[in-house]
Amino acid sequence: ILNVEQSPQSLHVQEGDSTNFTCSFPSSNFYALHWYRWETAKSPEALFVMTLNGDEKKKGRISATLNTKEGYSYLYIKGSQPEDSATYLCASGLLIYNQGGKLIFGQGTELSVKP
Amino acid sequence: DTAVSQTPKYLVTQMGNDKSIKCEQNLGHDTMYWYKQDSKKFLKIMFSYNNKELIINETVPNRFSPKSPDKAHLNLHINSLELGDSAVYFCASSQLGANTEAFFGQGTRLTVV
Repeated sequence: ILNVEQSPQSLHVQEGDSTNFTCSFPSSNFYALHWYRWETAKSPEALFVMTLNGDEKKKGRISATLNTKEGYSYLYIKGSQPEDSATYLCASGLLIYNQGGKLIFGQGTELSVKP
Repeated sequence: DTAVSQTPKYLVTQMGNDKSIKCEQNLGHDTMYWYKQDSKKFLKIMFSYNNKELIINETVPNRFSPKSPDKAHLNLHINSLELGDSAVYFCASSQLGANTEAFFGQGTRLTVV
């Protein structure tokens, strides 16, 4: 059974604070690690997809790192803004029969940024 | 243009009915999925199709039958609806599979009464 776990489950910060979340996943048979941002009443939107150990990706104030050997990824938000409030999902990608695949999602970290 | 669109957005129906949710993607992707958001808000894979072929069927009751008439469409038909089927169902697509980002539809909130 493949479990993807995220922590913390929820986080409340003040505007301007920097914050980070953790995603842990089984390191055996690693294929890909995804981060998604999910705002209320909308659909999840991809932030990053990482496949190589040591990958670091950045999009504006948001960045992510990947350690496939120990099975964890961090998502960082620098200088949080109220519009960053959302649930952040990570997902481990599994390759199936060399065609397509599936994502195993964690339960998400719900971020609330107060002005 | 919406990349992945699903209809309807809301569906309220009685137990025992048969209903369908439609999904279309205009991204030219080869892989399409159905996910179910469970009561704990987890997104769980139900089905994955690659070029109209069923690749993954995750222990879903056979009352749920996906149909892919072409690679741009993946519809979900549910027979004999039960109260426990109430959930939000998300369609998604990706170019190749698990190492490319997935694009999600807006979700269909199904309520069985």
